[in-house]
Amino acid sequence: EAQVTQNPRYLITVTGKKLTVTCSQNMNHEYMSWYRQDPGLGLRQIYYSMNVEVTDKGDVPEGYKVSRKEKRNFPLILESPSPNQTSLYFCASSLPAGTGLFFGQGTRLTVV
Amino acid sequence: GDSVTQMEGPVTLSEEAFLTINCTYTATGYPSLFWYVQYPGEGLQLLLKATKADDKGSNKGFEATYRKETTSFHLEKGSVQVSDSAVYFCALPAYSGAGSYQLTFGKGTKLSVIP
Repeated sequence: EAQVTQNPRYLITVTGKKLTVTCSQNMNHEYMSWYRQDPGLGLRQIYYSMNVEVTDKGDVPEGYKVSRKEKRNFPLILESPSPNQTSLYFCASSLPAGTGLFFGQGTRLTVV
Repeated sequence: GDSVTQMEGPVTLSEEAFLTINCTYTATGYPSLFWYVQYPGEGLQLLLKATKADDKGSNKGFEATYRKETTSFHLEKGSVQVSDSAVYFCALPAYSGAGSYQLTFGKGTKLSVIP
């Protein structure tokens, strides 16, 4: 089954404790992206990757890192999480631009 | 830059009512247009898309027509069901330099259908 898998689905952590949210896709997609979803602000792109070893900032990259060492994986790293990073995070992937994104199930992160 | 504007709702309808969710866009050229749906507790799913002017996308009884004259892509369904209760997002790809792009979303419209 074609899918984008994120882990964990739910995470509560404390300020400053480094964490990684994993994302993996099995569709051989070149393009992958991370979004956060917040009430009243909608979906905002954090980082994206056009292909292996190619990543770039989206609209709200501050406080986040990503890496793309393999085509299927695109982890999101929060080196020192803060409460304003409490949000619902989605990983997504697609074939080259304009064909529509496949989304993961989401990771609800709470930073206390 | 490229953007979409959609009615924010919430929208509450009775079962079998007619649904319209408005979406207008601002874009350079004629990008593909998308509607996504997010059911409670789930990720976004592609509902339908249209790739050029006058195209009609359709899926699960939902339809949307790409109208370049009015720069609109309104979502419609003739008879909604309780199971259609979800948040609906209009989206378009926004391209920037060096071949990069992101999918730009509207703020979402929450639909609640009551029996």
